[in-house]
Amino acid sequence: EVQLVESGGGLVQPGGSLRLSCAASGFTFSNHWMNWVRQAPGKGLEWVANIKQDGSEKYYVDFVKGRFTISRDNAKNSLYLQMNSLRVEDTAIYYCVGRGRSSLIVEEYWGQGTLVTVSS
Amino acid sequence: QSALTQPASVSGSPGQSITISCTGTSSDVGYYDYVSWYQQSPGEAPKLMIYDVTNRPSGVSSRFSGSKSGNTASLTISGLQAEDEADYYCSSYTNRRIWMFGGGTKLTVL
Repeated sequence: EVQLVESGGGLVQPGGSLRLSCAASGFTFSNHWMNWVRQAPGKGLEWVANIKQDGSEKYYVDFVKGRFTISRDNAKNSLYLQMNSLRVEDTAIYYCVGRGRSSLIVEEYWGQGTLVTVSS
Repeated sequence: QSALTQPASVSGSPGQSITISCTGTSSDVGYYDYVSWYQQSPGEAPKLMIYDVTNRPSGVSSRFSGSKSGNTASLTISGLQAEDEADYYCSSYTNRRIWMFGGGTKLTVL
């Protein structure tokens, strides 16, 4: 059974930091691009960042560039998101998403998310 | 980076067909055939319904279909069922090598 389990969310003050983790199992983690997608309460989905299978390429949406860092450890089947200089508008559920492609078939897996609340 | 444009809401009666549009630009929807559609029910994680414009993952009903013309992609649900009531999001890869989502569409089954 495929599982993506996020952890590390919580309440943090503006300007603070958090590190999210995502533990993967049930699929070949090292074959998948991994993504972070967030959803503010009552709002739509926002793609945040992704990282290539071997960690050699990373991409970010503009509003987190310079503040967030995505990383992975394929030996531990784990994905991370280091979030610094947090803002109130970063408050959201953060989802870990794995996407892989075998020939023309796409596999995609979502975790249940971890809630990050930025508030004073 | 503005979100892709979707209608805020659509509705239909059981058995009918509905179509949700997703309008982008020549830098995203019009650039690649990498448009996906997601279904999200309250309190749940999104579920991939369509990828690469027209393809359905294993287990997704054939009532769901996707298409694209120029900078606009579309999701059609035929034979609408009560269980289809949910929020639907499109997403597209862009020429900046990032992904982008639409603002979401709330589907109501009357």
